[in-house]
Amino acid sequence: GAGVSQSPRYKVTKRGQDVALRCDPISGHVSLYWYRQALGQGPEFLTYFNYEAQQDKSGLPNDRFSAERPEGSISTLTIQRTEQRDSAMYRCASSLLAPGTGHSPLHFGNGTRLTVT
Amino acid sequence: GQNIDQPTEMTATEGAIVQINCTYQTSGFNGLFWYQQHAGEAPTFLSYNVLDGLEEKGRFSSFLSRSKGYSYLLLKELQMKDSASYLCAVRVFSGTYKYIFGTGTRLKVLA
Repeated sequence: GAGVSQSPRYKVTKRGQDVALRCDPISGHVSLYWYRQALGQGPEFLTYFNYEAQQDKSGLPNDRFSAERPEGSISTLTIQRTEQRDSAMYRCASSLLAPGTGHSPLHFGNGTRLTVT
Repeated sequence: GQNIDQPTEMTATEGAIVQINCTYQTSGFNGLFWYQQHAGEAPTFLSYNVLDGLEEKGRFSSFLSRSKGYSYLLLKELQMKDSASYLCAVRVFSGTYKYIFGTGTRLKVLA
């Protein structure tokens, strides 16, 4: 079936604007994660959901960042009043099982490259 | 704090064997994963270890020693297409689960 789908693939926005990044996980996957990845670095944890419940948001940098997954499927990461330092690749990943119930690996999407000018 | 260390870059020759090391200092260890990431692409899952020892999967093997906080990924019969970054990730539990990634090892395979 289809993999994890993210949109838009690229987003250029002006400083101060709000952006919404969308993630459509693999059908039936319980857990959904958001990561941010700088060039040449590993993914940095932002937040994750089991079904529609946000389990951990400790990685969100500040209160301009928020995420939701209202029906336990598609998720949206919203950044309000964007700043240049928010420019990065934002990746979504999903896993079939909730963590701790097996070795169900993360499946990553191709990401959204956000550029704040 | 949680820390994962990997070499930044390695170079090897086509047909050779290469070992990529990963050391970690984490609390609440709950499994170690290796991912491959080609330039401009998403990371893809390679292997998983939760118990000590070696897991073999074709040309790729991964080893874990929990007491030493150490893992390695072994790639045999290297091919040009193996040129990529290899990410070590540790899953930890401290009330909730998190996957913490290292910075990755960029492997260049030369003809």
